[in-house]
Amino acid sequence: GQQVMQIPQYQHVQEGEDFTTYCNSSTTLSNIQWYKQRPGGHPVFLIQLVKSGEVKKQKRLTFQFGEAKKNSSLHITATQTTDVGTYFCAGRTTDSWGKLQFGAGTQVVVTP
Amino acid sequence: GAVVSQHPSRVICKSGTSVKIECRSLDFQATTMFWYRQFPKKSLMLMATSNEGSKATYEQGVEKDKFLINHASLTLSTLTVTSAHPEDSSFYICSADGQGGNYGYTFGSGTRLTVV
Repeated sequence: GQQVMQIPQYQHVQEGEDFTTYCNSSTTLSNIQWYKQRPGGHPVFLIQLVKSGEVKKQKRLTFQFGEAKKNSSLHITATQTTDVGTYFCAGRTTDSWGKLQFGAGTQVVVTP
Repeated sequence: GAVVSQHPSRVICKSGTSVKIECRSLDFQATTMFWYRQFPKKSLMLMATSNEGSKATYEQGVEKDKFLINHASLTLSTLTVTSAHPEDSSFYICSADGQGGNYGYTFGSGTRLTVV
């Protein structure tokens, strides 16, 4: 079945530094979504990528979808303490009836 | 924006009892809702897809008699954990597609279930 792998599982970042989390799918995706879950909270939708090679930016966050639509990345520049949380990618295939397959998540800890 | 309300947020129950978790879409109709289970510092594991007016679709390995799902209306889905055991203790969370395909899914706030 479809597998979505995400690395790293844990990222310790100094405030002001950049970091990237990567997502890889074993199958081609129709789209990929990214969510952020704060400690003790629930996942909150960040963005959806649909097109091959698509790049979207949200302030300090840059999201990319690979040309083959099997991988994606989230790059955060100048990390702030408000970036603390777990970032999940979630992929959907054309035959998955809307179901999202979540990656394991990257837990981000920011040191002031 | 779309809001999904989930109750209760926390529940402690004794082994052998049943617990019902409700998930309501407040400002939109949700023909489909998804139920997830999340272990500490782990990813979200899809348990089942709840379909309004029809039977839920369960993922492989999820016991349908253990986790009863009812989606009786376009705004309410319920998950009942029957004959709960300590190993059922977890964070249960629902989601629905509230704003159309380009806006992702809206998640409820989750229910922390502890079985003692």
